[in-house]
Amino acid sequence: QKEVEQNSGPLSVPEGAIASLNCTYSDRGSQSFFWYRQYSGKSPELIMFIYSNGDKEDGRFTAQLNKASQYVSLLIRDSQPSDSATYLCAVRGTGKLIFGQGTTLQVKP
Amino acid sequence: GAVVSQHPSWVICKSGTSVKIECRSLDFQATTMFWYRQFPKQSLMLMATSNEGSKATYEQGVEKDKFLINHASLTLSTLTVTSAHPEDSSFYICSGRGAGNTGELFFGEGSRLTVL
Repeated sequence: QKEVEQNSGPLSVPEGAIASLNCTYSDRGSQSFFWYRQYSGKSPELIMFIYSNGDKEDGRFTAQLNKASQYVSLLIRDSQPSDSATYLCAVRGTGKLIFGQGTTLQVKP
Repeated sequence: GAVVSQHPSWVICKSGTSVKIECRSLDFQATTMFWYRQFPKQSLMLMATSNEGSKATYEQGVEKDKFLINHASLTLSTLTVTSAHPEDSSFYICSGRGAGNTGELFFGEGSRLTVL
C-alpha cells in the first residue's frame, strides 16, 4: 500500500463547477496535510494546509480532513480553466513530506 | 511565502560527467533542505533530507555516493549528480523548511537534467 494515494485522473469538470480531489494516507500518526498545485514543467506551489479535523476554507478552496478515516480532500469551487493542473496531496510524518502521485484536473471552458 | 532559488533551471550534459544543482533560501534560514526527484507523469520522490552542518539522510534506494548533498550553510544546499547517466535524467526539486516551521515547505523552481 502506498503511503499517500490519489486517483491520477484526469478529472474533468466544466468551468464554474466544483472539483473534488481526494487523498488517503496510511500513517495514522500523520499530523500535517498539504495540497500543492503543479503546472506542467514547474515546481509545486502550496495551495493549502490543514492540521485539524474538519474543513478549512480559503477563497475558492476548501480542504477537508478526517483523521479517523485517514482521508483528506480539496474542493475547488467555481473552477476556472486556469485551475487545470496536477494537484498533489502531501502528508507529513516523522519529519518527511510524502507526496501522492497527484490528480490531473482539467477544467473545460 | 518564502523564496527558494534553484539553478540551473535546466542542464544538458554528457554521460559520465557530473552536474551540480544549487538551492538557496533567499529570505529565510533553511535548517532543513529536502531534495526530490520527479520523473514524467510521476509524483515527487524524496531522495534525501539534509540538515545544516550534518550529513544528509538518504532514502532507501538512493545512492549516496552518486547523489552528493552538501548543506554547509543555512541558506545554501547543493546536489551533485556524479557520473550521470541517461537514467538520471529527471526533474530535481529542492525545498527548504525553516526552524520552528510547522511543516510547510518552500520549493525551488526545479532543475531539469537531461543526460545524453
